[in-house]
Amino acid sequence: GIQVEQSPPDLILQEGANSTLRCNFSDSVNNLQWFHQNPWGQLINLFYIPSGTKQNGRLSATTVATERYSLLYISSSQTTDSGVYFCAVDLLRDDKIIFGKGTRLHILP
Amino acid sequence: GAGVSQSPSNKVTEKGKDVELRCDPISGHTALYWYRQSLGQGLEFLIYFQGNSAPDKSGLPSDRFSAERTGGSVSTLTIQRTQQEDSAVYLCASSLVHGSYNSPLHFGNGTRLTVT
Repeated sequence: GIQVEQSPPDLILQEGANSTLRCNFSDSVNNLQWFHQNPWGQLINLFYIPSGTKQNGRLSATTVATERYSLLYISSSQTTDSGVYFCAVDLLRDDKIIFGKGTRLHILP
Repeated sequence: GAGVSQSPSNKVTEKGKDVELRCDPISGHTALYWYRQSLGQGLEFLIYFQGNSAPDKSGLPSDRFSAERTGGSVSTLTIQRTQQEDSAVYLCASSLVHGSYNSPLHFGNGTRLTVT
């Protein structure tokens, strides 16, 4: 079946470090989104990025649809960046928006 | 208007009882989605509506689960004869139009369901 794989599953970093989170998907997608779920469970949409590169402050994302992956970059990490980062894909041949299992990020002060 | 609103925020029920969860999407959003998240897990797709229609109900875990949307706005997710494995956070999201360009999902804060 359709697979959405995120790596790494867990990441522990010191405050100030940079990180790259990856999302691989096994089929063609209509669009791709990145979300941050904070420790209180709230899900915030970070990027809507079916292709190309976008930046928002310390965060940026790149999707290469032809190679079926997306990357989320976090620079100069802060403790408030802690939480789980999910990618979600809207599949062309299956009318659903499917989430990966997430990358759990823990930023140490 | 404001963001996606879900009620109740918490629900504790006894095994075998029915529960109804409510989602009020962002005004003007025609697409509405239900997901389930078990403790420490990812999001499991349940169902989505475009307007009042649900094109694919195959994500619902069993026939005890049903969902409806009326007036293209509020949606209710009903779980009949609840079981302990139904305990989870039920998340609702909305977007402008399903599958449309630049139509990101916006999530509510969820309903935490505990079946005792």
